[in-house]
Amino acid sequence: IQMTQSPSSLSASVGDRVTITCRASPGISGYLNWYQQKPGKAPKLLIYAASSLHGGVPSRFSGSGSGTDFTLTISSLQPEDSATYYCQQSYSTPLTFGGGTKVAIK
Amino acid sequence: EVQLVESGGGLVQPGRSLRLSCAASGFSFDEYAMHWVRQAPGKGLEWVSGIGWNSVSIGYADSAKGRFTISRDNAKSSLYLQLSSLRAEDTALYYCAKVVGTYCSGSSCRLFEHWGQGTLVTVSS
Repeated sequence: IQMTQSPSSLSASVGDRVTITCRASPGISGYLNWYQQKPGKAPKLLIYAASSLHGGVPSRFSGSGSGTDFTLTISSLQPEDSATYYCQQSYSTPLTFGGGTKVAIK
Repeated sequence: EVQLVESGGGLVQPGRSLRLSCAASGFSFDEYAMHWVRQAPGKGLEWVSGIGWNSVSIGYADSAKGRFTISRDNAKSSLYLQLSSLRAEDTALYYCAKVVGTYCSGSSCRLFEHWGQGTLVTVSS
């Protein structure tokens, strides 16, 4: 299953609403997860099953979508959100990740 | 506290072998499926292999099939990845990852909740 993320990078200001898109081909129902990775660190699970927030993740993060198109939204960007974000399908093996979206703070 | 500590990485010549280990603590290791995920320098994440809690279910990425072997020792709370016939393109940071739920089934076996800090494998002559 091919996972395509867009954009590959973005720059936004603190307080901005940020949206990252992930497209699956073929469709994966709701089996889509999002991870955040900061430089030199391991990834962290943010959202699973397309829209469920993992424990301890700030409520400014949200996910939506089903089938082939998914989005990760940060409602009000914070300095600590500077990171690379990856989507991952858990529909079937081989498991696949999107190419990543690097989010920078202006 | 869940801890996953990878080891065994290093510099290895093309065609040679290496065995990676992941020592787990802070949870009941024998109740969780585990995975290996790698990241080439400056690149994205790539799933390598996964193994069920009882070693019955095992899967590999196409890039790993026939060359890598995943295994686990529940008595030692350890996960392993035997790397063989290594190529330059296998150069990466190798993470072990624990899934979300105990005795998982279906998609919950494919969701990574905790990750180690990785062990670096460099394949070069």
